[in-house]
Amino acid sequence: GQQLNQSPQSMFIQEGEDVSMNCTSSSIFNTWLWYKQDPGEGPVLLIALYKAGELTSNGRLTAQFGITRKDSFLNISASIPSDVGIYFCAGQIKNTGNQFYFGTGTSLTVIP
Amino acid sequence: EAGVAQSPRYKIIEKRQSVAFWCNPISGHATLYWYQQILGQGPKLLIQFQNNGVVDDSQLPKDRFSAERLKGVDSTLKIQPAKLEDSAVYLCASSKGQNYGYTFGSGTRLTVV
Repeated sequence: GQQLNQSPQSMFIQEGEDVSMNCTSSSIFNTWLWYKQDPGEGPVLLIALYKAGELTSNGRLTAQFGITRKDSFLNISASIPSDVGIYFCAGQIKNTGNQFYFGTGTSLTVIP
Repeated sequence: EAGVAQSPRYKIIEKRQSVAFWCNPISGHATLYWYQQILGQGPKLLIQFQNNGVVDDSQLPKDRFSAERLKGVDSTLKIQPAKLEDSAVYLCASSKGQNYGYTFGSGTRLTVV
């Protein structure tokens, strides 16, 4: 399968700080998704990106579809304790069954 | 709208036993996926259905795993016989179509002992 590398693998930040994480691949993707997963639950879709260069916000979250189409970024502003969880990127390559390949995840801990 | 329903939430079985998981997708969602998520990793696709047809099962270990979606709505995933390395969370997801983001269920946590 396709390899999506997420970084950083884990983050420990103070409440109120901004967070940045990214996802990179050697393959070109047509769609990028960002999910958040809480313990014991399935991933929840945060943001979907469909065009290279696209910048989309969802509240305090902002994600961008990289110009090269090989990467994507997620930023969280003014973090709060409920932002704790694991964040996954997922990319879709058309003509490969349209499946989404998931990254390795970024674990976020917010210290009050 | 109701979410993706999965059952059971938890299952503990001994190796070489069989187990089945059930998924009911969001109403009207034609595409259904089963993912395996091993602890500390991202979800890995096992099988993708479009209505009642299989689109992609290239990563399904077919010697022990099987899945069906006979009426194009709910789906079952079966493992027979189970191995220790099958311990994972099995996630079902559905979407309106193949180019849309998924909605995941809460998953079934399988422990094989």
